[in-house]
Amino acid sequence: EDQVTQSPEALRLQEGESSSLNCSYTVSGLRGLFWYRQDPGKGPEFLFTLYSAGEEKEKERLKATLTKKESFLHITAPKPEDSATYLCAVREGGGSEKLVFGKGTKLTVNP
Amino acid sequence: GAVVSQHPSWVICKSGTSVKIECRSLDFQATTMFWYRQFPKQSLMLMATSNEGSKATYEQGVEKDKFLINHASLTLSTLTVTSAHPEDSSFYICSATAGQYEQYFGPGTRLTVT
Repeated sequence: EDQVTQSPEALRLQEGESSSLNCSYTVSGLRGLFWYRQDPGKGPEFLFTLYSAGEEKEKERLKATLTKKESFLHITAPKPEDSATYLCAVREGGGSEKLVFGKGTKLTVNP
Repeated sequence: GAVVSQHPSWVICKSGTSVKIECRSLDFQATTMFWYRQFPKQSLMLMATSNEGSKATYEQGVEKDKFLINHASLTLSTLTVTSAHPEDSSFYICSATAGQYEQYFGPGTRLTVT
């Protein structure tokens, strides 16, 4: 059973067309939900960490929010350079520092 | 800050040989480092977790004798793929964390076994 599910798998937007990516999770004792951006052939780039329901964080055109069951990554007025795969990961309760990753959403922003 | 490097960025080797990949945290001391494997168009698969000075903890299904991990210092971990075969060809990525904070990832190493 997947613990982290991201949707949609792929998303095509026109430049300036705002949208949201979803990450739902079923882990217990959440100790952090993480968003990363990954460009082809590169390692993931850290974007945000969220720890508790109601928390929000922003960076440029990106805004991440968290509820008890899911997180959203809102992209406002995207540009072509925002095209990438966005990965969501959660850290479970207990002492482990392991992350459980979703399969990602591939975002394409057309000019 | 929080820069992680990997070397080499890509490597081609012949079947049966061994390959070593280095992962370094450049501007912080990493209490824990992780090694991932990523197949094309798939997400990251955790292979092992390593803490400085202790044996690595491998995920289920990962061969310990094939993927040797050494975490010699707080800034360096190495992954050695022993007796590599074509099915070991993949994108290997390391990450590092300083305590229970974010994991910062290296740029990855593309391994091709011929």
